[in-house]
Amino acid sequence: QKEVEQNSGPLSVPEGAIASLNCTYSDRGSQSFFWYRQYSGKSPELIMSIYSNGDKEDGRFTAQLNKASQYVSLLIRDSQPSDSATYLCAVNHSGGSNYKLTFGKGTLLTMNP
Amino acid sequence: KAGVTQTPRYLIKTRGQQVTLSCSPISGHRSVSWYQQTPGQGLQFLFEYFSETQRNKGNFPGRFSGRQFSNSRSEMNVSTLELGDSALYLCASSPGQISYNEQFFGPGTRLTVL
Repeated sequence: QKEVEQNSGPLSVPEGAIASLNCTYSDRGSQSFFWYRQYSGKSPELIMSIYSNGDKEDGRFTAQLNKASQYVSLLIRDSQPSDSATYLCAVNHSGGSNYKLTFGKGTLLTMNP
Repeated sequence: KAGVTQTPRYLIKTRGQQVTLSCSPISGHRSVSWYQQTPGQGLQFLFEYFSETQRNKGNFPGRFSGRQFSNSRSEMNVSTLELGDSALYLCASSPGQISYNEQFFGPGTRLTVL
């Protein structure tokens, strides 16, 4: 069973601080990694994708990938109230499951005013 | 570019009935994936279609089926509905390439089974 694990939270951070969200995966051959943001009552929205080891930055968001440790993270700088949401980590596996994403159960992020 | 559309947005059915949900992908996208989302199980993969062919299937009973048409629009059907089928059903579209598989979600269909 190929799994994606996330801390369910809630993770509470002060406004303006850095939020750090973590995800581990079990399939060592996984090729593509994604972070989705889901507001309550809405569908998931793709915010970051990463395919190779290292960091990828897009605005206030930085995704980090370490394939050796089977670990992917998302950093959100200067956290805003609008960042309060559930963040889902998704992994595209190798081999015969190339066409599906496996999702973690998500981390709920909330802001302290 | 218009996003992924799903119809209907809300459905209420009773046990034993069947239901058909529809999804129109982003223009030019040839892959459509379906997911079920529940509070307890999170997002679970149902199946994926590309050029009218099912390429992958999740661990759901045969009551769950789908198809894709030549214009890439997709439908999923659930027969003999059970209470546990109450969920948000999400469709996601992708260009279809293996390596990247960025998927973009529609707004979902909220199914309630009474």
